[in-house]
Amino acid sequence: NAGVTQTPKFRVLKTGQSMTLLCAQDMNHEYMYWYRQDPGMGLRLIHYSVGEGTTAKGEVPDGYNVSRLKKQNFLLGLESAAPSQTSVYFCASRDHQEHNEQFFGPGTRLTVL
Amino acid sequence: DQQVKQNSPSLSVQEGRISILNCDYTNSMFDYFLWYKKYPAEGPTFLISISSIKDKNEDGRFTVFLNKSAKHLSLHIVPSQPGDSAVYFCAASPWAGSSNTGKLIFGQGTTLQVKP
Repeated sequence: NAGVTQTPKFRVLKTGQSMTLLCAQDMNHEYMYWYRQDPGMGLRLIHYSVGEGTTAKGEVPDGYNVSRLKKQNFLLGLESAAPSQTSVYFCASRDHQEHNEQFFGPGTRLTVL
Repeated sequence: DQQVKQNSPSLSVQEGRISILNCDYTNSMFDYFLWYKKYPAEGPTFLISISSIKDKNEDGRFTVFLNKSAKHLSLHIVPSQPGDSAVYFCAASPWAGSSNTGKLIFGQGTTLQVKP
């Protein structure tokens, strides 16, 4: 099992450009999450999904959109990147059973100039 | 407002000694707590967890203690090893009843350095 994978690993964007981050999991998990990690801030939830075709806002959703067309994939989109979106982005997944831990991907380091 | 706080950004201990990482929370609706470990350029990995109905959970060298009245939890690592050097995040999950979403609220992280 590959677990949770993220594409790309690194990306540099110019302000106003758009991009999509891809998260894939092969554990048949129902729930998937996108976080951003910034220095001194811990991990903050951007959006999440409790099943195929569903999405919901997390703590810091502004400037991002998501889609979960297939159970194994969760896409995070930036329509018009801003320097404030420079961060490390982590995807995670877990099954639906209560109190199971989340499994994280290796992260995507995004720089917006 | 930070609902989960790790007030010590860093901690340095000698190999073989005990490492104690602390975490405070403000929301009394949190009913499950987790610790994650993160190495540079990798994603966080699950370490240990505890339910609010318990006050202690142990797994090998790692023990988590929960003090609900103080809204405080701690992670003890005994004995500490150089390979334990990493960033440690505590996280809390609110009780959601039938609308469980599995969301976690993370602290800011504590960087542990274990010196040989």
